Amino acid sequence: AQTVTQSQPEMSVQEAETVTLSCTYDTSESDYYLFWYKQPPSRQMILVIRQEAYKQQNATENRFSVNFQKAAKSFSLKISDSQLGDAAMYFCAYRGTQGGSEKLVFGKGTKLTVNP
Amino acid sequence: DAGITQSPRHKVTETGTPVTLRCHQTENHRYMYWYRQDPGHGLRLIHYSYGVKDTDKGEVSDGYSVSRSKTEDFLLTLESATSSQTSVYFCAISDSVDNSPLHFGNGTRLTVT
Repeated sequence: AQTVTQSQPEMSVQEAETVTLSCTYDTSESDYYLFWYKQPPSRQMILVIRQEAYKQQNATENRFSVNFQKAAKSFSLKISDSQLGDAAMYFCAYRGTQGGSEKLVFGKGTKLTVNP
Repeated sequence: DAGITQSPRHKVTETGTPVTLRCHQTENHRYMYWYRQDPGHGLRLIHYSYGVKDTDKGEVSDGYSVSRSKTEDFLLTLESATSSQTSVYFCAISDSVDNSPLHFGNGTRLTVT
């Protein structure tokens, strides 16, 4: 079964600075999809960014970008110019393309604190 | 935002009582999911559905059952609630299994005393 590991339970960053959240995953598939979700204190789950494994180019959404290293099975999230509103739990998630492709497997999350 | 409504938003119940959580969608998406969220565990899949009357187990399905009699509704039932089922429960929907993300409801906080 695929597993997703987020090795940093908590991270902190100063407002306006850059922070990188780590995510690694275990899979034997060559084709799959990766996602980062944000969960602010409101509890709402919000999609931040997604990446297709067959695409070599790293996905970018405004201040959010990923560093996708397929060989290393690594999918880190970089937040540039951090804002107070970025404070949240961040979850990395994996979806395969073979058996069980309906399911998203989540990591345990990283709590990000943004200091003013 | 995707039209997903979870009910109730909060519930307190006693050990041994049955509990049903409801998820209703207005997006006509094929796939529906129930996850639970616990500190230190992230989100774990309980059950999911890939169509009306088509459901399958996730990684933490013991003690839970589901039903989907209509495209728009996905029910999660705890036949006899236990304290270990105290959690926040999220419903999610998806229209396909490629890079389509899951869209989540606002969650139900369930406390079993």
